[in-house]
Amino acid sequence: DAGITQSPRYKITETGRQVTLMCHQTWSHSYMFWYRQDLGHGLRLIYYSAAADITDKGEVPDGYVVSRSKTENFPLTLESATRSQTSVYFCASSEKAQGTQYFGPGTRLTVL
Amino acid sequence: KNEVEQSPQNLTAQEGEFITINCSYSVGISALHWLQQHPGGGIVSLFMLSSGKKKHGRLIATINIQEKHSSLHITASHPRDSAVYICAVFWGGATNKLIFGTGTLLAVQP
Repeated sequence: DAGITQSPRYKITETGRQVTLMCHQTWSHSYMFWYRQDLGHGLRLIYYSAAADITDKGEVPDGYVVSRSKTENFPLTLESATRSQTSVYFCASSEKAQGTQYFGPGTRLTVL
Repeated sequence: KNEVEQSPQNLTAQEGEFITINCSYSVGISALHWLQQHPGGGIVSLFMLSSGKKKHGRLIATINIQEKHSSLHITASHPRDSAVYICAVFWGGATNKLIFGTGTLLAVQP
């Protein structure tokens, strides 16, 4: 089925472990985004990518790493997870720079 | 102070009522999104607008760029409209970064 998918949907990990959240889209959209959603803060941009091999920081990038070797994939890595990174993570994609963004179903991450 | 503010934060309505959710922003923008998020669920874009008014079914979105204000209206509300409605703006200029409001939680009771 075409669209944007995220995996895993749920993840529990321990402080200090490395975790990678996957995002895959089938539209060949140029732009991809990672957001986190926390109570009281709404959605905040972590990183975004304008094309393969082009990434840039968003509002809250510390503790996260991204890569984009292929247009369709945009993995987000927590290099050493902390409790403050417990959140729901959404990936999104769009065709144009300021176009409609299409969101994945989200990954609920708990860091113990 | 948040750059995007929504009101009310919480709203309870009876089925059939006309609903208005407001969004005010403090930065110059090029476009504004309205998004819907159902409980435990994903996020769906409802509208993107940069001027005037857009309508889709029972949903109407308006924007006044001079007053830095947008409204989302739901006519003949239904319990299935219960969700969080989120306003987000693109900063003016070349950026493609969205700034989000914290959302309005709507509950429509039968």
